[in-house]
Amino acid sequence: EDQVTQSPEALRLQEGESSSLNCSYTVSGLRGLFWYRQDPGKGPEFLFTLYSAGEEKEKERLKATLTKKESFLHITAPKPEDSATYLCAVGMDSSYKLIFGSGTRLLVRP
Amino acid sequence: NAGVTQTPKFQVLKTGQSMTLQCAQDMNHNSMYWYRQDPGMGLRLIYYSASEGTTDKGEVPNGYNVSRLNKREFSLRLESAAPSQTSVYFCASRRAGGFEKLFFGSGTQLSVL
Repeated sequence: EDQVTQSPEALRLQEGESSSLNCSYTVSGLRGLFWYRQDPGKGPEFLFTLYSAGEEKEKERLKATLTKKESFLHITAPKPEDSATYLCAVGMDSSYKLIFGSGTRLLVRP
Repeated sequence: NAGVTQTPKFQVLKTGQSMTLQCAQDMNHNSMYWYRQDPGMGLRLIYYSASEGTTDKGEVPNGYNVSRLNKREFSLRLESAAPSQTSVYFCASRRAGGFEKLFFGSGTQLSVL
């Protein structure tokens, strides 16, 4: 069964304390792995797409990496404005569906 | 540039009532989606439309119907609302499938009493 699992469910960091969020997946024929940020009361907002194992992408304090079984979202020296829920999703061969993980709620305290 | 627009933003229904959630996108996207988001369960796909004129069931279609009215609009209908349908509903669109990213609306918070 196709599945996407994110861990941890929640993460509390002090400002400046770097950490990583995990997204592990078991799907047939990965076409893309997506990371989204969701602020309270809003829809998810796109961050990155990763297409193949070994690929990395960066945006400000965020860096996403991909292996054959999982993806990591590394947050370097986070700030309070990075507080949000981070979602990962996978797109599969010959499918218009995206399967989402349940997300990691990140809280960065000043 | 409006992107994906959903209406209404909030709705309260009584059990058994019906309603339609509206969604429109102005990005000329082919694919459109309806998701529901519940605490601890992430986003679950209700229905999607790969292109104008086609619709397909997702993971949790029971109790819902959809209409792809044209390329821009994709509506979700609850014929007889149940408390289990209390959720936040998101409409999304993307240019095609596979590698393309999704653009989301701001959501509809629905409570069924």
